[in-house]
Amino acid sequence: DVQLTQSPSSLSASVGDRVTINCRASRDISGYLNWYQQRPGKAPKLLIYATSNLHSGVPSRFSGTVSETGYTLTINTLQLEDVATYYCQQSDTTPWTFGHGTKVEI
Amino acid sequence: EVQLVESGGGLVQPGGSLRVSCVASGFSFSTYWMHWVRLVPGKGLEWVSRVETDGTGASYADSVKGRFIISRDNAKNTLLLQMHSLRVEDTAVYYCVRAIGDISPLDYWGQGTLVTVSS
Repeated sequence: DVQLTQSPSSLSASVGDRVTINCRASRDISGYLNWYQQRPGKAPKLLIYATSNLHSGVPSRFSGTVSETGYTLTINTLQLEDVATYYCQQSDTTPWTFGHGTKVEI
Repeated sequence: EVQLVESGGGLVQPGGSLRVSCVASGFSFSTYWMHWVRLVPGKGLEWVSRVETDGTGASYADSVKGRFIISRDNAKNTLLLQMHSLRVEDTAVYYCVRAIGDISPLDYWGQGTLVTVSS
């Protein structure tokens, strides 16, 4: 199975800060890396698909990239409503797997 | 508006069985692959199972293989998950989720139904 190592497990930032979350795959997943946001008590929502594509209706302060160190979710200008747990997920190979999540607090 | 509404969760004893359902509306259900994903308390999201558009192909996580069965009724826009030999570690919120294809992201999620396995 593809293992996804997500870091950090939690972070605290201020409104207006730039936040980055990292996700490293145990092997090549051909860019099929997606990001989800789960607010407390709510269902997860798709933010970014296939590394860097913004899902419909998602604010442009969210972005996704890939580099030698892995996949990255960036939140520019953090807002109060961004308090949530964020998960990466690979859809390249069954069984689909998720990272362990990053809890973002303000 | 896309809607996925789960039901059927509840309290069940270890070794018992339960069936959870999901009714879809607002989109062409028969053209989407459908998944079950669960949120395990204190652990995060875990993919459980998926079924192809016509119901003929299904995949399962190793943790549920041989115990859970996913199925769908396209005439009723309904997705099912039959769970047998339930274990305490199956306790979770179970989400019904759609995807447009094989390697596609999970683009819309239901609100979930809570399954608690406890004596």
